[in-house]
Amino acid sequence: IAGITQAPTSQILAAGRRMTLRCTQDMRHNAMYWYRQDLGLGLRLIHYSNTAGTTGKGEVPDGYSVSRANTDDFPLTLASAVPSQTSVYFCASSPSGSSDTQYFGPGTRLTVL
Amino acid sequence: GQNIDQPTEMTATEGAIVQINCTYQTSGFNGLFWYQQHAGEAPTFLSYNVLDGLEEKGRFSSFLSRSKGYSYLLLKELQMKDSASYLCAVTDSNYQLIWGAGTKLIIKP
Repeated sequence: IAGITQAPTSQILAAGRRMTLRCTQDMRHNAMYWYRQDLGLGLRLIHYSNTAGTTGKGEVPDGYSVSRANTDDFPLTLASAVPSQTSVYFCASSPSGSSDTQYFGPGTRLTVL
Repeated sequence: GQNIDQPTEMTATEGAIVQINCTYQTSGFNGLFWYQQHAGEAPTFLSYNVLDGLEEKGRFSSFLSRSKGYSYLLLKELQMKDSASYLCAVTDSNYQLIWGAGTKLIIKP
Protein backbone atom coordinates (compact mmCIF):
# COMPACT_ATOMS: atom_id res chain seq x y z
CA ILE A 1 0.00 0.00 0.00
CA ALA A 2 1.46 3.34 -1.06
CA GLY A 3 2.05 5.93 1.61
CA ILE A 4 4.38 7.07 4.35
CA THR A 5 5.82 4.95 7.10
CA GLN A 6 7.47 6.12 10.29
CA ALA A 7 9.56 4.26 12.84
CA PRO A 8 9.49 3.74 15.70
CA THR A 9 5.81 4.05 16.64
CA SER A 10 6.78 5.20 20.10
CA GLN A 11 9.96 5.58 22.12
CA ILE A 12 11.02 6.49 25.63
CA LEU A 13 14.43 8.10 25.66
CA ALA A 14 16.80 9.28 28.39
CA ALA A 15 17.81 12.93 28.21
CA GLY A 16 21.14 13.43 26.48
CA ARG A 17 20.76 10.43 24.19
CA ARG A 18 20.88 10.64 20.42
CA MET A 19 17.81 9.47 18.49
CA THR A 20 16.88 9.18 14.81
CA LEU A 21 13.25 9.04 13.71
CA ARG A 22 12.81 7.36 10.36
CA CYS A 23 10.43 8.34 7.58
CA THR A 24 9.99 6.67 4.21
CA GLN A 25 7.53 7.40 1.41
CA ASP A 26 6.88 5.46 -1.77
CA MET A 27 4.77 8.03 -3.63
CA ARG A 28 7.80 9.65 -5.34
CA HIS A 29 6.86 12.97 -3.78
CA ASN A 30 9.47 15.70 -4.08
CA ALA A 31 8.71 17.54 -0.85
CA MET A 32 8.89 16.13 2.68
CA TYR A 33 8.31 17.66 6.10
CA TRP A 34 8.80 17.00 9.79
CA TYR A 35 6.30 18.40 12.29
CA ARG A 36 5.86 18.17 16.00
CA GLN A 37 2.42 18.33 17.55
CA ASP A 38 1.87 19.40 21.15
CA LEU A 39 -1.45 19.89 22.95
CA GLY A 40 -2.92 23.30 22.26
CA LEU A 41 -0.18 24.34 19.86
CA GLY A 42 -1.09 22.55 16.68
CA LEU A 43 1.42 21.37 14.14
CA ARG A 44 4.79 23.13 14.07
CA LEU A 45 7.23 22.66 11.21
CA ILE A 46 10.70 21.52 12.27
CA HIS A 47 12.49 21.00 8.93
CA TYR A 48 11.48 20.47 5.35
CA SER A 49 12.96 19.35 2.05
CA ASN A 50 11.64 20.53 -1.30
CA THR A 51 13.64 17.96 -3.24
CA ALA A 52 16.30 15.32 -2.69
CA GLY A 53 19.60 16.89 -1.70
CA THR A 54 18.09 20.05 -0.20
CA THR A 55 16.73 20.86 3.25
CA GLY A 56 15.42 23.93 5.03
CA LYS A 57 14.58 25.10 8.54
CA GLY A 58 11.04 25.45 9.73
CA GLU A 59 9.55 27.24 12.70
CA VAL A 60 11.24 25.17 15.47
CA PRO A 61 14.52 23.68 14.10
CA ASP A 62 16.76 23.99 17.17
CA GLY A 63 17.99 20.65 18.51
CA TYR A 64 17.01 18.78 15.33
CA SER A 65 18.77 17.93 12.08
CA VAL A 66 17.64 16.24 8.87
CA SER A 67 19.11 14.84 5.69
CA ARG A 68 17.60 13.99 2.30
CA ALA A 69 19.98 11.67 0.50
CA ASN A 70 17.26 10.32 -1.81
CA THR A 71 13.62 10.91 -2.71
CA ASP A 72 12.13 8.32 -0.38
CA ASP A 73 13.84 8.84 2.99
CA PHE A 74 13.86 11.82 5.32
CA PRO A 75 15.27 10.96 8.77
CA LEU A 76 15.06 13.37 11.71
CA THR A 77 17.86 13.29 14.30
CA LEU A 78 17.84 14.61 17.84
CA ALA A 79 21.54 14.99 18.67
CA SER A 80 21.08 15.24 22.45
CA ALA A 81 17.48 14.84 23.52
CA VAL A 82 15.91 17.14 26.13
CA PRO A 83 12.56 16.77 27.95
CA SER A 84 11.04 19.66 25.97
CA GLN A 85 11.35 17.49 22.87
CA THR A 86 8.68 15.17 24.26
CA SER A 87 6.00 15.31 21.58
CA VAL A 88 4.29 13.48 18.74
CA TYR A 89 6.32 13.73 15.55
CA PHE A 90 4.68 13.54 12.13
CA CYS A 91 6.43 13.15 8.82
CA ALA A 92 4.54 14.32 5.72
CA SER A 93 5.11 14.53 1.99
CA SER A 94 3.60 16.40 -0.95
CA PRO A 95 4.09 16.18 -4.72
CA SER A 96 5.91 19.52 -4.78
CA GLY A 97 5.69 22.37 -2.28
CA SER A 98 3.47 23.59 0.55
CA SER A 99 0.64 24.58 -1.81
CA ASP A 100 0.05 20.87 -2.45
CA THR A 101 -1.94 18.52 -0.27
CA GLN A 102 0.30 16.95 2.34
CA TYR A 103 0.09 13.26 3.22
CA PHE A 104 1.02 12.31 6.74
CA GLY A 105 2.69 9.29 8.26
CA PRO A 106 1.18 7.64 11.37
CA GLY A 107 3.44 9.55 13.78
CA THR A 108 6.06 8.74 16.42
CA ARG A 109 5.26 9.39 20.06
CA LEU A 110 8.53 10.36 21.77
CA THR A 111 9.00 10.77 25.50
CA VAL A 112 12.26 12.21 26.81
CA LEU A 113 12.87 11.66 30.51
CA GLY B 1 3.01 38.06 12.86
CA GLN B 2 1.10 35.27 11.23
CA ASN B 3 -1.90 33.88 13.01
CA ILE B 4 -4.74 31.44 12.48
CA ASP B 5 -7.66 31.38 14.90
CA GLN B 6 -10.12 28.54 15.39
CA PRO B 7 -12.39 27.69 18.32
CA THR B 8 -10.72 25.22 20.65
CA GLU B 9 -13.70 22.93 21.04
CA MET B 10 -17.27 22.55 19.76
CA THR B 11 -20.09 20.17 20.59
CA ALA B 12 -22.88 19.09 18.24
CA THR B 13 -25.59 16.46 18.04
CA GLU B 14 -25.64 13.44 15.75
CA GLY B 15 -27.63 14.22 12.59
CA ALA B 16 -27.25 17.98 12.97
CA ILE B 17 -25.15 20.56 11.10
CA VAL B 18 -22.05 22.28 12.50
CA GLN B 19 -19.93 25.15 11.17
CA ILE B 20 -16.29 25.45 12.22
CA ASN B 21 -14.82 28.89 11.62
CA CYS B 22 -11.24 29.85 10.83
CA THR B 23 -9.85 33.38 10.59
CA TYR B 24 -6.34 34.11 9.43
CA GLN B 25 -3.82 36.93 9.28
CA THR B 26 -0.88 35.91 7.10
CA SER B 27 1.69 37.56 4.88
CA GLY B 28 -0.05 36.87 1.61
CA PHE B 29 -2.35 34.01 0.69
CA ASN B 30 -1.92 31.06 -1.65
CA GLY B 31 -4.64 28.72 -0.48
CA LEU B 32 -6.40 27.33 2.57
CA PHE B 33 -6.63 23.70 3.65
CA TRP B 34 -8.86 21.82 6.05
CA TYR B 35 -7.62 18.55 7.54
CA GLN B 36 -9.35 16.06 9.82
CA GLN B 37 -7.45 14.37 12.63
CA HIS B 38 -8.95 11.59 14.75
CA ALA B 39 -7.47 11.16 18.21
CA GLY B 40 -4.15 9.33 18.09
CA GLU B 41 -4.03 9.38 14.30
CA ALA B 42 -2.44 11.45 11.54
CA PRO B 43 -4.17 14.40 9.85
CA THR B 44 -5.93 13.60 6.59
CA PHE B 45 -6.86 16.04 3.82
CA LEU B 46 -10.47 17.26 3.62
CA SER B 47 -10.59 20.30 1.36
CA TYR B 48 -8.68 23.07 -0.38
CA ASN B 49 -9.89 26.59 -1.26
CA VAL B 50 -7.92 29.15 -3.22
CA LEU B 51 -10.78 31.20 -4.72
CA ASP B 52 -13.70 32.82 -2.88
CA GLY B 53 -16.82 30.75 -2.53
CA LEU B 54 -18.12 27.41 -1.45
CA GLU B 55 -16.58 24.03 -2.30
CA GLU B 56 -18.92 21.09 -1.66
CA LYS B 57 -17.76 17.53 -1.20
CA GLY B 58 -20.46 15.18 0.02
CA ARG B 59 -21.45 15.98 3.60
CA PHE B 60 -18.55 18.43 3.94
CA SER B 61 -18.35 21.94 2.45
CA SER B 62 -15.70 24.61 2.83
CA PHE B 63 -16.13 28.33 2.26
CA LEU B 64 -13.53 31.04 1.71
CA SER B 65 -13.60 34.84 1.78
CA ARG B 66 -10.14 36.19 1.04
CA SER B 67 -11.14 39.82 1.65
CA LYS B 68 -12.29 38.93 5.18
CA GLY B 69 -9.49 36.45 5.92
CA TYR B 70 -12.16 33.93 6.81
CA SER B 71 -13.10 30.34 6.09
CA TYR B 72 -15.52 27.83 7.49
CA LEU B 73 -15.98 24.10 7.30
CA LEU B 74 -19.60 22.94 7.25
CA LEU B 75 -20.41 19.39 8.25
CA LYS B 76 -23.93 18.11 7.56
CA GLU B 77 -25.79 15.04 8.80
CA LEU B 78 -23.26 14.58 11.55
CA GLN B 79 -22.19 11.05 12.39
CA MET B 80 -20.41 9.80 15.49
CA LYS B 81 -17.33 9.08 13.36
CA ASP B 82 -17.05 12.83 12.67
CA SER B 83 -15.81 13.31 16.23
CA ALA B 84 -12.26 14.53 15.56
CA SER B 85 -10.12 17.63 15.45
CA TYR B 86 -10.37 19.85 12.38
CA LEU B 87 -7.25 21.76 11.38
CA CYS B 88 -7.22 24.92 9.28
CA ALA B 89 -3.97 25.74 7.45
CA VAL B 90 -3.01 28.63 5.14
CA THR B 91 -0.22 28.83 2.56
CA ASP B 92 1.39 32.27 2.78
CA SER B 93 3.18 34.36 0.14
CA ASN B 94 6.39 32.34 0.66
CA TYR B 95 4.45 29.12 0.15
CA GLN B 96 4.94 28.18 3.79
CA LEU B 97 2.00 26.38 5.40
CA ILE B 98 0.77 28.00 8.61
CA TRP B 99 -1.35 25.74 10.85
CA GLY B 100 -4.09 26.60 13.28
CA ALA B 101 -4.23 24.78 16.62
CA GLY B 102 -7.33 22.86 15.54
CA THR B 103 -10.94 22.59 16.69
CA LYS B 104 -11.95 19.51 18.64
CA LEU B 105 -15.46 18.50 17.58
CA ILE B 106 -17.47 16.36 19.99
CA ILE B 107 -20.57 14.63 18.61
CA LYS B 108 -23.25 13.59 21.09
CA PRO B 109 -25.98 11.04 20.33
